Amino acid sequence: EVQLVESGGGLVKPGGSLRLSCAASGFDFNTYTMNWVRQAPGKDLEWVSSISSGSDYIYYADSVRGRFSISRDNAKNSLFLQMSSLGPEDTGMYYCLKASPFDYWGQGALVIVSS
Amino acid sequence: DVVLTPTPPSLSVTPGQPASISCKSSHSLLHSDGNTYLYWFLQKPGQSPQLLIYEVFKRFSGAPDRFSGSGSGTNFTLKISRVEAEDVGTYYCMQSIQLPFTFGPGIKVDIK
Repeated sequence: EVQLVESGGGLVKPGGSLRLSCAASGFDFNTYTMNWVRQAPGKDLEWVSSISSGSDYIYYADSVRGRFSISRDNAKNSLFLQMSSLGPEDTGMYYCLKASPFDYWGQGALVIVSS
Repeated sequence: DVVLTPTPPSLSVTPGQPASISCKSSHSLLHSDGNTYLYWFLQKPGQSPQLLIYEVFKRFSGAPDRFSGSGSGTNFTLKISRVEAEDVGTYYCMQSIQLPFTFGPGIKVDIK
């Protein structure tokens, strides 16, 4: 059974940093591109970042480029999102997502940026 | 960026009746590899999104067979052959042919 379990969410002050993790199991993690998608409270889905299986190709949404950094550890079947210079607009649920074809999502990690 | 415009913005459906929603793309989603990278997701209240359809018409193994997808180029449709109460939620179309990947605004579906 495929499982994606996010962790690391929480309350952080504006300007602060947070690191999300996603533990993957049930599939060959090291052969799939992985993504982060977020959803502000009551809002629609927004793609955040992608990383290829070997970390050769990394992409970011304009809204997070320069502040967020995606990485992975294939030996530990883990995906990460290092977030810095956080602002209230970054508040939301962050989902780890397997691609392609975007068939499995984690339960999400809630990030709240507030003073 | 590729803009996805779904219609209608919301839908009230009668159990047992068919329903359909559409998604129009600002750019063709047909890739040179012959695949068309359009997806449909359902986010039930309080849950993570779940994949229903990928590459326009391919039903995900976990999706009920009452869901089907069709379309080409820039116009796509998701059909529910007979709506069930568990189909309520917000539906999203998404494209992955061009970065940034984009989702259309959610389509809220509820039961009459």
